[in-house]
Amino acid sequence: IAGITQAPTSQILAAGRRMTLRCTQDMRHNAMYWYRQDLGLGLRLIHYSNTAGTTGKGEVPDGYSVSRANTDDFPLTLASAVPSQTSVYFCATAPPGNTGELFFGEGSRLTVL
Amino acid sequence: GQNIDQPTEMTATEGAIVQINCTYQTSGFNGLFWYQQHAGEAPTFLSYNVLDGLEEKGRFSSFLSRSKGYSYLLLKELQMKDSASYLCAVLDSNYQLIWGAGTKLIIKP
Repeated sequence: IAGITQAPTSQILAAGRRMTLRCTQDMRHNAMYWYRQDLGLGLRLIHYSNTAGTTGKGEVPDGYSVSRANTDDFPLTLASAVPSQTSVYFCATAPPGNTGELFFGEGSRLTVL
Repeated sequence: GQNIDQPTEMTATEGAIVQINCTYQTSGFNGLFWYQQHAGEAPTFLSYNVLDGLEEKGRFSSFLSRSKGYSYLLLKELQMKDSASYLCAVLDSNYQLIWGAGTKLIIKP
């Protein structure tokens, strides 16, 4: 593993189904983030985690949950997917120091029908 | 509310210079960032400004005026590979990144 790995890269999902997007990093960064990116809108923060064992809500948390059992993994779960959750999801990490520089995974394109 | 504005799309010619503007209104300021995002790919970090003035990095430069809530990204000697979206983001008083919607830059030969 090099950097940040997201899986799956693409998924088509029926509305009402449960889905977990996986994110794994090998950079040992404490801070991790989940964003969604939609046409015409900036990246919007869904949930974040400043360190293993803690999580927080971002700008658009409804319908999503996260966990941070260890430093490397930060999965995002959609408990019951809806069409408005069709988007590209990016996982990101930040090095220490509150510099604001983020490292992004390659993204997961999710389509909910 | 917090707001970051940048043009939706710009077109420029290969070899030319282009300036992408960004204006912001945020709760506090701890730095301004520019990211590049090629179509279908992840954003990658380009530049960071926290003090007023110009930061130069090769063909790319970024300028900041905190009093005006304004920044620009200047790209010189444009190449076809510079065709991408350029995202402006501000680190607010809570150290959360606030993102603009991005400017799609189209380079024509």
